[in-house]
Amino acid sequence: SQTIHQWPATLVQPVGSPLSLECTVEGTSNPNLYWYRQAAGRGLQLLFYSVGIGQISSEVPQNLSASRPQDRQFILSSKKLLLSDSGFYLCAGQGNLAGELFFGEGSRLTVL
Amino acid sequence: AQSVTQLGSHVSVSEGALVLLRCNYSSSVPPYLFWYVQYPNQGLQLLLKYTSAATLVKGINGFEAEFKKSETSFHLTKPSAHMSDAAEYFCAVSSNYGGATNKLIFGTGTLLAVQP
Repeated sequence: SQTIHQWPATLVQPVGSPLSLECTVEGTSNPNLYWYRQAAGRGLQLLFYSVGIGQISSEVPQNLSASRPQDRQFILSSKKLLLSDSGFYLCAGQGNLAGELFFGEGSRLTVL
Repeated sequence: AQSVTQLGSHVSVSEGALVLLRCNYSSSVPPYLFWYVQYPNQGLQLLLKYTSAATLVKGINGFEAEFKKSETSFHLTKPSAHMSDAAEYFCAVSSNYGGATNKLIFGTGTLLAVQP
């Protein structure tokens, strides 16, 4: 079965500090990968997606970046966090074009 | 552009009562539609999906949804609510049909409360 491992589960960071969230995929090869951010009452906002190694598409301009150094690894980063970066971040994979997304357990980021 | 509207950010039902969570979509191409459930501080879990086969789709935990093209709806139902159904539910539609990726566009979610 397809599984997403995501870490860290929780993170408290000061404003201006860097960020690195990582997820890895098991059970499928060459998946499409996605980073979503979830804010209370606002649903899931798609931040980045990737169709292959080194291929990143950004959905919204922001303070974050993403990278895919390996087929099954997807990283979300920031050089300097803002208060507005706080939220629940979800990594998701998609094993085929007609398929659903399978999600990791999420990473809760609090920027103080 | 594709979009999803979930009517009612909060729904409360009694245990044993019918659950009805509403979802309307907008899509210029035949859509794929999904319902997900999220428990607190967890990721999303797929309940069911519609991918142009049968219009009545059965999912896990006794949930089902019916695709109605004429109404552009994909409402989620369960005949009898259980306390364990209390969670947040998200409807989603896929975009870029036939492209290199099928991004899912999510609604804002409906928080379901089940009263004893």
